Amino acid sequence: AQKITQTQPGMFVQEKEAVTLDCTYDTSDPSYGLFWYKQPSSGEMIFLIYQGSYDQQNATEGRYSLNFQKARKSANLVISASQLGDSAMYFCAMRENYGGATNKLIFGTGTLLAVQP
Amino acid sequence: DAGVTQSPTHLIKTRGQQVTLRCSPKSGHDTVSWYQQALGQGPQFIFQYYEEEERQRGNFPDRFSGHQFPNYSSELNVNALLLGDSALYLCASSRTGGFFQPQHFGDGTRLSIL
Repeated sequence: AQKITQTQPGMFVQEKEAVTLDCTYDTSDPSYGLFWYKQPSSGEMIFLIYQGSYDQQNATEGRYSLNFQKARKSANLVISASQLGDSAMYFCAMRENYGGATNKLIFGTGTLLAVQP
Repeated sequence: DAGVTQSPTHLIKTRGQQVTLRCSPKSGHDTVSWYQQALGQGPQFIFQYYEEEERQRGNFPDRFSGHQFPNYSSELNVNALLLGDSALYLCASSRTGGFFQPQHFGDGTRLSIL
C-alpha cells in the first residue's frame, strides 16, 4: 500500500546550519514522484522540490536538496544555511504514475521545523 | 500570473448545515484536486476533477461532492456537516499529463463546525 512516513514530529536547528528532514515511502509502482512541501503557520502549501523515481541524480533547488536513496526507499530533504523564515511544517508526499493520469498525492504527517537565532 | 485562489478563507457552520467552497486553478491548469487537512495531520485526498468529471476519489463519504466548471474552476460541497469535518480544505491544481509537475495549492479554507 502507498505510504509516506515522517518519523520526526519536530526538529530544532540553529540559524545558518544545515538540517535533514527524514522521509521514507512505500510503493509497488516502479514509476513515482516524490515531493516536498512547506506549510507556514498561515496554511498555504508551498512546493519546494521534486524527485522522480527514474532520476539518476539527486534533485537540488537553491538551498534545498533531496537525498534520494531508492533501494532504502528514502527521500530526505536537506536544507542548507537555515534561515528564520524556514520555520514551518514540512511535508513529504508521493504520487504514483499508474494509468498515466495526474494522480493524487499521498502525504506524510509532517515535521515541524523551528530555526533558532 | 495568479496562483490558485480559494474562497472563503474562513467559515463557521453548525452541525447538519451544508457548505460550498470554491477554487480557481492556476492559469494554464485544467485539473483540480481537493484535500482535507485536520489539525496536526497531513492533507488527505478527497477527489480530483478533470474535464468536468470526478476522476479519482479518496476515502470520503458521499456527503462530500464536487463540481468543475468549463473555466476549470471547482466547488467542493459538504452536506450534513459533522464536528469532524472541521479542517483546512486545500485546493490544488495541475496540468493533465503533468506527472512530473507539482500540484500548486491555494491558501485553503478553514472550516469550523460548532
